[in-house]
Amino acid sequence: EAQVTQNPRYLITVTGKKLTVTCSQNMNHEYMSWYRQDPGLGLRQIYYSMNVEVTDKGDVPEGYKVSRKEKRNFPLILESPSPNQTSLYFCASSSPGTGGTGELFFGEGSRLTVL
Amino acid sequence: AQKITQTQPGMFVQEKEAVTLDCTYDTSDPSYGLFWYKQPSSGEMIFLIYQGSYDQQNATEGRYSLNFQKARKSANLVISASQLGDSAMYFCAMREGPSGGSNYKLTFGKGTLLTVNP
Repeated sequence: EAQVTQNPRYLITVTGKKLTVTCSQNMNHEYMSWYRQDPGLGLRQIYYSMNVEVTDKGDVPEGYKVSRKEKRNFPLILESPSPNQTSLYFCASSSPGTGGTGELFFGEGSRLTVL
Repeated sequence: AQKITQTQPGMFVQEKEAVTLDCTYDTSDPSYGLFWYKQPSSGEMIFLIYQGSYDQQNATEGRYSLNFQKARKSANLVISASQLGDSAMYFCAMREGPSGGSNYKLTFGKGTLLTVNP
């Protein structure tokens, strides 16, 4: 089954404790991206990657890091989480000609709470 | 300026009736794509429908149709014969640039929470 898998789905952590949210896709997509969703703000892009070893900042990259060492994986790293990073996080992937639309395929989301 | 505007934070509709969710967009790129996603209370993002800027006809997918008015820069989602399971948050999104190009980024609106009443 074609899917984007994120882990963990739910996490409560404390300020300053480094954490990583993993993302893996099995559709051989070149493009992967992270979004955060906050009430009243919709989804905003954090980082994206056009291919292996190619990453770039989105609209809200502060406080986050990413890496793309393998095509299928695109982890999101919070080196020193703060309460304002409490959010619902989505990983998404896509590829040229996907469905003819370039739609994004989303993971199920990771709900992160930073105390 | 916001690129995607959804002016209805919440909407209510009776079961079996039709409902229109509004979306306006702003871009100077002649080639773009417009998407609608559904987010039920379980949280996942479900792709519903797509409209390309050069598509001549309005997109339809089952009970979903997209009322595309290019001159007005609007891309409203119409859900016919609403069902209880349609209760969810709905997001309008835009990709600037052609499908199959180098830009995959979607810019999202703030969403509309639709409640279907029995």
